[in-house]
Formats: sequence, structure tokens, C-alpha cells
Amino acid sequence: SQQGEEDPQALSIQEGENATMNCSYKTSINNLQWYRQNSGRGLVHLILIRSNEREKHSGRLRVTLDTSKKSSSLLITASRAADTASYFCASRVYSGGGADGLTFGKGTHLIIQP
Amino acid sequence: KAGVTQTPRYLIKTRGQQVTLSCSPISGHRSVSWYQQTPGQGLQFLFEYFSETQRNKGNFPGRFSGRQFSNSRSEMNVSTLELGDSALYLCASSLRTSGTNTGELFFGEGSRLTVL
Repeated sequence: SQQGEEDPQALSIQEGENATMNCSYKTSINNLQWYRQNSGRGLVHLILIRSNEREKHSGRLRVTLDTSKKSSSLLITASRAADTASYFCASRVYSGGGADGLTFGKGTHLIIQP
Repeated sequence: KAGVTQTPRYLIKTRGQQVTLSCSPISGHRSVSWYQQTPGQGLQFLFEYFSETQRNKGNFPGRFSGRQFSNSRSEMNVSTLELGDSALYLCASSLRTSGTNTGELFFGEGSRLTVL
């Protein structure tokens, strides 16, 4: 089952605009991570935000985390054609035996129109 | 530093056959995880290895198995292939030292398996 669910499933914007993607998750987390995947390629780690953090920046990326709502958002500012990709949030579920594997949402497919 | 290397990149098999996929992690990384990615189910966790021991396993049938060698390289095997096993299989390594792995994963480019 999916721990995280991204919204929207697809997003098309003009180059230079900002893109916002949201992620909701179901259970308590230690941290939440965002990854990017270009078509058919491997995933690339973008940013990790810990459960005791509310906001984190990395270059043109801004991630927020609201643990009370079990949600996170990824903002990409001043989008570029190279940002066209699928974006996934991921988190770990902690059971009695410790941490399970990283669980990914279904992703947001972002298209940047030139 | 070389990234995560997966071989083969592409392969075609027929139903009933078995397949072995290989993954070489980033030098110094001792944790290796495997994921299956399909259009319908998305990214699903298969298993995680650390110091040659399976530490976590996802909800997949016993046909899916893996192992890790002393040099941290890992292999996964799928026996009695089914059409639904067609997928991109992704390997990821991380700097887990002990205990719970909470850090970022470094992914390879994947092995795309087609089952006919």
C-alpha cells in the first residue's frame, strides 16, 4: 500500500512559473524525502526534511512539513524545462520491528512548457 | 565516486523462466534496497540488505529473493516469471551504518525486465 499520495497527479506550467506539489502520508514518520525521476531513469534524491522541521530550502526547492496534517509540499521556483520529471515523496513506516523500507507515493508528473 | 550500477539494463524473458539482476552500490555504502516500479502499482519496496543480512522485506511472493555479498554487491532473483513481473527494478544504496536506515537513497538507472 502507498504511504504517501501526491497531488496533483499531473501538472503542466509555463517555464519561469512556480510549481507546487503536495504529499499526504498516513502514519508517523521520522523524516520525509522528495525524489525526482526523469522518464525511465533512476530516482534522484532532492531533499530530506525531518519530523521536527517545518520548512527546508535547497536552491530553487522549498519543502514544508505539517506533521499535524500528515502532509508536505514541494515548491519549485522559477521552473525550467529541465525540471520536467516525475516527483515522488517518500517516507518510512515504523513498525514493532523497526523501520520498514522507504514507501513512495505515486508521484506528480510535472511538465514545463517552454 | 562511481554511482550505483545495475546490470543488465534491459532484458526480455518468457513466462516460467527465472532472472537474476545485479547491483553494485556506491563505494562505502553497506545498505542496498530493491524496488519494483510499474505503471499500475508505482514504486514498491522489495527488500533491504545490510551487512549481508536481509533487514526488511516488502509484500512480495517468495518467488522474489535477494542476497548481499561481503563486498556489499547485491543480487535479486525472480523465479517462475509471470507477465505481471514486467517492471523497472531499481536498486538503491545508502550510508546506513547500523540500526535504522533513515537517510537518503542513491538509485541506479534500473533494470527493465519484460516478460513475454
